[in-house]
Amino acid sequence: NAGVTQTPKFQVLKTGQSMTLQCAQDMNHEYMSWYRQDPGMGLRLIHYSVGAGITDQGEVPNGYNVSRSTTEDFPLRLLSAAPSQTSVYFCASSYSGTRRNTIYFGEGSWLTVV
Amino acid sequence: AQSVAQPEDQVNVAEGNPLTVKCTYSVSGNPYLFWYVQYPNRGLQFLLKYITGDNLVKGSYGFEAEFNKSQTSFHLKKPSALVSDSALYFCAVREFSPGYNKLIFGAGTRLAVHP
Repeated sequence: NAGVTQTPKFQVLKTGQSMTLQCAQDMNHEYMSWYRQDPGMGLRLIHYSVGAGITDQGEVPNGYNVSRSTTEDFPLRLLSAAPSQTSVYFCASSYSGTRRNTIYFGEGSWLTVV
Repeated sequence: AQSVAQPEDQVNVAEGNPLTVKCTYSVSGNPYLFWYVQYPNRGLQFLLKYITGDNLVKGSYGFEAEFNKSQTSFHLKKPSALVSDSALYFCAVREFSPGYNKLIFGAGTRLAVHP
């Protein structure tokens, strides 16, 4: 039962470095998204995708890029890391079509930018 | 705009006592409400959801939630708390339109169950 798989789980970056957080799901879900979790703020949507080749911005997209070349994968790229991007990142997926569908989350990626 | 509020940053409960984690919401139209739990250094796990029907929703690990439309609340409950229930709990409401599908989260409530 793989579900939503994220890598790496922990990462330390220097300011200005770039990196990619990987996300894969094996449930054939059309909808995938990335959230960031910050203390006292819950989770906020960064980017989302409703299918291969289609992406769009969420609430806090600045400093991040995404692409969706396959149904399974939805990587999140940090272009030039900043300390403000220190956070916990969650990838999520669900079937699209109705709001009844449960959104499933990965285990999270803890990112520290120094 | 849709929103969710969790008025308590932390809830402390003795093991064996009932617990309640509060959530209120503001939505236009019918609400689609969810509870998730996050154990230390782990991802979010789905607990339960309210879509329609019975106001009392049963979920995983013995949790249930009561939907109250007049009070716009969706409180999470458990009759007898366990130390292993200690975690961070998030209430969320679904915002949905064709081509758009997101959860709007509350700030989270930390539940501490003491032996």
